[in-house]
Amino acid sequence: QVQLQESGPGLVKPSETLSLTCTVSGGSISSYYWSWIRQPPGKGLEWIGYIYYSGSTNYNPSLKSRVTISVDTSKNQFSLKLSSVTAADTAVYYCARGDTAMVMNWGQGTLVTVSS
Amino acid sequence: QSVLTQPPSASGTPGQRVTISCSGSSSNIGSNYVYWYQQLPGTAPKLLIYRNNQRPSGVPDRFSGSKSGTSASLAISGLRSEDEADYYCAAWDDSLSGQVFGGGTKLTVL
Repeated sequence: QVQLQESGPGLVKPSETLSLTCTVSGGSISSYYWSWIRQPPGKGLEWIGYIYYSGSTNYNPSLKSRVTISVDTSKNQFSLKLSSVTAADTAVYYCARGDTAMVMNWGQGTLVTVSS
Repeated sequence: QSVLTQPPSASGTPGQRVTISCSGSSSNIGSNYVYWYQQLPGTAPKLLIYRNNQRPSGVPDRFSGSKSGTSASLAISGLRSEDEADYYCAAWDDSLSGQVFGGGTKLTVL
């Protein structure tokens, strides 16, 4: 059974870049779509974007100017970078596996707080 | 403001049947599959229904999904205390070229 694990700083300063990595175990990253989804405290889910193992990406238009998702097939990892963060970017960030419209497997999530 | 609209809350007593609605538009639900996720307190969401009405392996048949036009519904029959959770609908949106979610419905088992 595939497992996903997010890692990265839990605290980021305003205006800086949030960076997270998702490590995939129990399966190859060389298939499926790999997504990032976030959930502000007490609120609903927001799709950030996805990457295919080949490197093609698709981002939420509302975040597109600040988001970069990349993949490292040699490490079975994919990553998220979100630039110029503000308090509104405080959320639990989930990495996930699925297709373009569906998430089949979720990581446990990691809380990232934006604060000085 | 979520693209898909769900009631913020729903409730029922054990054994009852409860339905949760999800309203969208022609660019999302009207032309694409609907998915449902269950999020138990303090945990990551879990896929509950895919392609409108299909259940992944391990999901009890008490959960069922349906779609009509630009709306969809999740039905839970034989309600149990462990069904108390947040439920989210989702779909691909052709206009946004991305996934969109409902705001979530908090289900309380009385």
